[in-house]
Amino acid sequence: NAGVTQTPKFRVLKTGQSMTLLCAQDMNHEYMYWYRQDPGMGLRLIHYSVGEGTTAKGEVPDGYNVSRLKKQNFLLGLESAAPSQTSVYFCASSYSAAGHNEQFFGPGTRLTVL
Amino acid sequence: GENVEQHPSTLSVQEGDSAVIKCTYSDSASNYFPWYKQELGKRPQLIIDIRSNVGEKKDQRIAVTLNKTAKHFSLHITETQPEDSAVYFCAAILMGYGNKLVFGAGTILRVKS
Repeated sequence: NAGVTQTPKFRVLKTGQSMTLLCAQDMNHEYMYWYRQDPGMGLRLIHYSVGEGTTAKGEVPDGYNVSRLKKQNFLLGLESAAPSQTSVYFCASSYSAAGHNEQFFGPGTRLTVL
Repeated sequence: GENVEQHPSTLSVQEGDSAVIKCTYSDSASNYFPWYKQELGKRPQLIIDIRSNVGEKKDQRIAVTLNKTAKHFSLHITETQPEDSAVYFCAAILMGYGNKLVFGAGTILRVKS
């Protein structure tokens, strides 16, 4: 099993450009999450999904959109990138059942917006 | 909503000493408290977790304690080794729709040999 994978690993954008980050998991997890990690601020939840076709806002959703058309994939979109979106982005997934709550993280995407 | 505070932000210990990291949470309904370790340039990985119906849990050199009354929980690492050097994050959630974790800001642990 590959676990949770993310594409791309690195990206540099200019202000105003758009891009999509792809997260894929092969563990048949119902729940998927997108976080951003900034120095001294831990991991903050951007958006999450409780199943195929569902999405919901997290703590810091502004400037991002997401889609979950397939259970194994969760896409994070930036329509018009801003320097404040420079960060490391982590995707995670987990089971929904009680007692199986560990979130498994992907390797991260380092995004720089100039 | 839930708020998690973590202290200290950095911690340096000598190899073989113990390290303690503390977290407080605000929502008394939270019932699941994981700890993640993140090595430089790597992804966070779960090292231990505890549920609200348990006061303490131990796994080899790592232990977590939970005080529900005071709303705080702590990570204890004994006999620290250089490979324990990393950033440690605590988190808290109220299990339910989405099981959304709220993370502390992290503690940089340096083990000096």
